[in-house]
Amino acid sequence: AQSVSQHNHHVILSEAASLELGCNYSYGGTVNLFWYVQYPGQHLQLLLKYFSGDPLVKGIKGFEAEFIKSKFSFNLRKPSVQWSDTAEYFCAVNPLSGGYQKVTFGTGTKLQVIP
Amino acid sequence: DGGITQSPKYLFRKEGQNVTLSCEQNLNHDAMYWYRQDPGQGLRLIYYSQIVNDFQKGDIAEGYSVSREKKESFPLTVTSAQKNPTAFYLCASEDKSYEQYFGPGTRLTVT
Repeated sequence: AQSVSQHNHHVILSEAASLELGCNYSYGGTVNLFWYVQYPGQHLQLLLKYFSGDPLVKGIKGFEAEFIKSKFSFNLRKPSVQWSDTAEYFCAVNPLSGGYQKVTFGTGTKLQVIP
Repeated sequence: DGGITQSPKYLFRKEGQNVTLSCEQNLNHDAMYWYRQDPGQGLRLIYYSQIVNDFQKGDIAEGYSVSREKKESFPLTVTSAQKNPTAFYLCASEDKSYEQYFGPGTRLTVT
């Protein structure tokens, strides 16, 4: 079974610092990749997704992620975080071969941005 | 206004009682999911349904049951057999590109 690892469980940054959250997955075939975000008191929502093409994907609010196939990674980045980026971030992977396969989520990373 | 609705937002039950959590969607999605979210454990899949009248167990299905009689609805029953039912429960639907759309969640407390 595929697995998704998010190594940073809790990250604390000051405003304007750069952010990189790690995501690694174990599936060897073709995948769809997602980052979801859960702001305090709000629904989980899509931040960005990768299906194919340019491995550098841009999402909402200045976030981007890079798919590195050789490393089975899909790390999330933002050059300069804001207090409003305080949230929990989830990486998710959906394998695309072998019929319908459900999405697998990582355990999440809580980001706290200090003003 | 399309989306996922879950009700109620907060639910309190006594130990030994079954309780059903509601999930409705008007996005016309075939697939629907139930997750449990506990601190530090991310989203754990309870059950999912790819199509009406069909559903599969997820990673932590024990003590839970579901039905999928209508495309719009995917209720989850937390039975008395579930050892640690107190949790935050999230419902989602999924579009053809595997993007998931989440409801606001139901926080269940069992005492």
